[in-house]
Amino acid sequence: AQSVTQPDIHITVSEGASLELRCNYSYGATPYLFWYVQSPGQGLQLLLKYFSGDTLVQGIKGFEAEFKRSQSSFNLRKPSVHWSDAAEYFCAVGARAGNNRKLIWGLGTSLAVNP
Amino acid sequence: EAGVAQSPRYKIIEKRQSVAFWCNPISGHATLYWYQQILGQGPKLLIQFQNNGVVDDSQLPKDRFSAERLKGVDSTLKIQPAKLEDSAVYLCASSYPTGGGELFFGEGSRLTVL
Repeated sequence: AQSVTQPDIHITVSEGASLELRCNYSYGATPYLFWYVQSPGQGLQLLLKYFSGDTLVQGIKGFEAEFKRSQSSFNLRKPSVHWSDAAEYFCAVGARAGNNRKLIWGLGTSLAVNP
Repeated sequence: EAGVAQSPRYKIIEKRQSVAFWCNPISGHATLYWYQQILGQGPKLLIQFQNNGVVDDSQLPKDRFSAERLKGVDSTLKIQPAKLEDSAVYLCASSYPTGGGELFFGEGSRLTVL
């Protein structure tokens, strides 16, 4: 079955510390992978995506993610977290559905940043 | 480029009442989605339109929820009658048909059912 797992429900880091949010997926074919961020009271914004090619992808706001096929993972990283990064982070897989792609979402990881 | 517009941002109703949410997607985006996001959970797809046709409504509770996308642009999501468990944020998103899953979201409409 197609699924996305974000093992960490909640993470707290100190400002300036590094960050890694985990995402594991189950999908039979080569996946399209996404990370979205949702600030309080806002809609979701795309941070980065992986379709093919270089397995290390760069996104907005200084985030990057690495696709590891052998581990079925697409972990999100940032070398130095800012207080404004406090938000909910969602990993998603774009599963093929006919001529389109249907997003399968993880349950999200809530990030808190200590000053 | 204007983003996805949604209204109202907030709505409070009593159970058994009806409510409607409106969405205007990004110009040129043929695909439009309505998601339900309950507090602490990820988004759940309710319905997906391609132009004005329905692509996927498998998770739409059709006994109380309805949606339409007249002329392939704006869309309206209606709940009638509302239940307590419908309290959630209703997110509208749009994309190009071949966007590969890259969605652009509105800010959402928060519904509270008392």
